[in-house]
Amino acid sequence: NAGVTQTPKFRILKIGQSMTLQCTQDMNHNYMYWYRQDPGMGLKLIYYSVGAGITDKGEVPNGYNVSRSTTEDFPLRLELAAPSQTSVYFCASSIGLAVAQETQYFGPGTRLLVL
Amino acid sequence: GENVGLHLPTLSVQEGDNSIINCAYSNSASDYFIWYKQESGKGPQFIIDIRSNMDKRQGQRVTVLLNKTVKHLSLQIAATQPGDSAVYFCAENPSNTGNQFYFGTGTSLTVIP
Repeated sequence: NAGVTQTPKFRILKIGQSMTLQCTQDMNHNYMYWYRQDPGMGLKLIYYSVGAGITDKGEVPNGYNVSRSTTEDFPLRLELAAPSQTSVYFCASSIGLAVAQETQYFGPGTRLLVL
Repeated sequence: GENVGLHLPTLSVQEGDNSIINCAYSNSASDYFIWYKQESGKGPQFIIDIRSNMDKRQGQRVTVLLNKTVKHLSLQIAATQPGDSAVYFCAENPSNTGNQFYFGTGTSLTVIP
């Protein structure tokens, strides 16, 4: 299994541009998550999904959108990029609720710079 | 957001010594905690977890201690190896937030050969 894969690895955006961060997992996990990690800070949950067709907001959802049309894919959309969205974005997945002690598996991250 | 903080942002230890990384949390409703390891340029990797009905849990070379009275969590790494050099995060899950986790800022552990 490849686990959780993310593309691209790095991207530079101009203010106001849009882009989609891709996330795919091949472990047949129901739960998927998007986090952002700012320098020197802990991860913050942006959105999560408990299954295909179901998404919910996390701690910092403003400026982002997600969709979950399949179990495998959970893309994160930035419609109008702002400098405040400069961060490293991590996608994760788990079999079930992380609170049920189901481990979250993280992807390698996407580094985004908005200028 | 939650106040999940670490006492020391950096920690250097000699190879073979034991390491202790600390974490404070502020929400007494938190009932599930995870420690993650993050190597440079990689995503976080699960190390060990603990529920609030326990005060100690052991894994391979790692032990997590939970003190609910003072809302403190620690990660102990026995016989620290160079491969343990990384940033370590704690994360808490308050029982009233569903699937929401709050992460600490991380402690950078450097193992000196």
